[in-house]
Amino acid sequence: NAGVTQTPKFQVLKTGQSMTLQCAQDMNHEYMSWYRQDPGMGLRLIHYSVGAGITDQGEVPNGYNVSRSTTEDFPLRLLSAAPSQTSVYFCASSPTRVTNEKLFFGSGTQLSVL
Amino acid sequence: GNSVTQMEGPVTLSEEAFLTINCTYTATGYPSLFWYVQYPGEGLQLLLKATKADDKGSNKGFEATYRKETTSFHLEKGSVQVSDSAVYFCALSDRRAGNMLTFGGGTRLMVKP
Repeated sequence: NAGVTQTPKFQVLKTGQSMTLQCAQDMNHEYMSWYRQDPGMGLRLIHYSVGAGITDQGEVPNGYNVSRSTTEDFPLRLLSAAPSQTSVYFCASSPTRVTNEKLFFGSGTQLSVL
Repeated sequence: GNSVTQMEGPVTLSEEAFLTINCTYTATGYPSLFWYVQYPGEGLQLLLKATKADDKGSNKGFEATYRKETTSFHLEKGSVQVSDSAVYFCALSDRRAGNMLTFGGGTRLMVKP
């Protein structure tokens, strides 16, 4: 079972560059989400989706865009990277929004913005 | 709003020592409480959970009891192993907040042989 797959694992960007972090799950989960992990701050929710075609903002959405065209994929876009976006990013999914407390996490993308 | 506070780490223990990682929470409703674990280079995994007051969650020798009177959910293990070295996150979900998870800052545990 692949579970939740994130690519790339590491990325270095220059300020102002754009990029897309990929996330795919093969468990037919309705609910998908993106978190960022910063030292001492735990995980903070960026955006989430309760199904294909439906997305919503989390706690820290500024500077990020998402889309959900299929059940499997939930890419996260940085339109113009800033040093404040240096972080570890995790994609997570769960069967439904009701069960979103039991999340299945990908292994993370470590992003550095110079 | 909801919040979770964990003891700061790192916590360094010798193998077979007793472990306690403190977690307290603030919530307006009646949350469910969780402990997630993150092993090096991996994403988080659900370790245990409790959904109502006085419930005890347990898994892999770890336990935590939902204490409403002290708004706490402390993680304990009687005898830690080197393989328990990881970062532990306390979290809550509140049905009135759409079941979204609120995480604490994480506590790194290092177990030495």
